[in-house]
Amino acid sequence: GNSVTQMEGPVTLSEEAFLTINCTYTATGYPSLFWYVQYPGEGLQLLLKATKADDKGSNKGFEATYRKETTSFHLEKGSVQVSDSAVYFCALSSYGGSQGNLIFGKGTKLSVKP
Amino acid sequence: KAGVTQTPRYLIKTRGQQVTLSCSPISGHRSVSWYQQTPGQGLQFLFEYFSETQRNKGNFPGRFSGRQFSNSRSEMNVSTLELGDSALYLCASSADYNEQFFGPGTRLTVL
Repeated sequence: GNSVTQMEGPVTLSEEAFLTINCTYTATGYPSLFWYVQYPGEGLQLLLKATKADDKGSNKGFEATYRKETTSFHLEKGSVQVSDSAVYFCALSSYGGSQGNLIFGKGTKLSVKP
Repeated sequence: KAGVTQTPRYLIKTRGQQVTLSCSPISGHRSVSWYQQTPGQGLQFLFEYFSETQRNKGNFPGRFSGRQFSNSRSEMNVSTLELGDSALYLCASSADYNEQFFGPGTRLTVL
């Protein structure tokens, strides 16, 4: 079945450091891929998405490229801030995202120190 | 535009009881999905409703059920609660193809 594997944290970085959170997936067909972020005590917020191979999703300085050949969707940011501290989830959907059944990775907790 | 709202935000129940959680989607959204979040299992899909019909279902026992009303509001019910049902229950609504908007969740504690 479909699955998502992402690097488990916690990840601790200093402010302005480069961030990479790895995410790989297993899926039949052509899934859509997502990164969600969860701040303490809150629900999930969509950070970025890509719906087909070679698409690059980007938002708030974060970006990820849908790589079908390596089945990956790694999240990157060139310079993290303290306010980026949160839990990041990689997810896929085989039904176009709006039809429920998002499949999530386990989440990666990021802590950014000043 | 108001976001997805969930009530109550926190709930404490004892084993064997049942519980009903409510979700109000973003105005105009007709799809509502429910997810369970636990430290051990992570985020797992429960079910999705669209226009009052269950359209997709995850791999949860029959004790977990849901429904959707004509105004798109949704409820989920868990009967005969077990300790392992303690979790954050998240609701998400959607109108577009490819994007779901999540509520803040209901934290359920089963004692």
